Amino acid sequence: QKEVEQNSGPLSVPEGAIASLNCTYSDRGSQSFFWYRQYSGKSPELIMSIYSNGDKEDGRFTAQLNKASQYVSLLIRDSQPSDSATYLCAGGGHGSGNTGKLIFGQGTTLQVKP
Amino acid sequence: NAGVTQTPKFRILKIGQSMTLQCAQDMNHNYMYWYRQDPGMGLKLIYYSVGAGITDKGEVPNGYNVSRSTTEDFPLRLELAAPSQTSVYFCASSPDTDTQYFGPGTRLTVL
Repeated sequence: QKEVEQNSGPLSVPEGAIASLNCTYSDRGSQSFFWYRQYSGKSPELIMSIYSNGDKEDGRFTAQLNKASQYVSLLIRDSQPSDSATYLCAGGGHGSGNTGKLIFGQGTTLQVKP
Repeated sequence: NAGVTQTPKFRILKIGQSMTLQCAQDMNHNYMYWYRQDPGMGLKLIYYSVGAGITDKGEVPNGYNVSRSTTEDFPLRLELAAPSQTSVYFCASSPDTDTQYFGPGTRLTVL
């Protein structure tokens, strides 16, 4: 069974620190990976996507993918209290024939303390 | 654009009742998805659609049915509600199989 695993946390970091969120996946056929942010009682919102090995940066966010180790991570630099949320990692297909189906992890709750 | 809309926001059902969760999007997206999220858990895919008239099962389809007669609408039908279907249901749409845009969710309780 295809699985995406995350530590549920909570992960607590002080304001201004780097938050590191991690995710592993079991399906070696997964080709696309996504990080969604979900505030309490709200719907998920896409913040990062990554398809190739290495790093991808967008503002304070950096996604890292290592397909050999089946490992995805999200770094949040200069963490702010407004970053406090649950972060969901998801894996899916890519390219021709892809239907966009995603397998989600259970999410990691991040708490940024002022 | 209203984006993805879902109705109702909240619903309480009795065991054995049926209901339809409504989902609509005004972005002309071909891809649409239904997920359920149990407390403290991630999202599980129930059904998905790649276009009007085309639907398929996801990870947890038992107890649910869908239809997609138009690009805009993707209703989810619950037949014979059971307590195990107590959850938050999210509908999402996507233009390209990458970015999924989620609706606000429907919180369903089955007693």
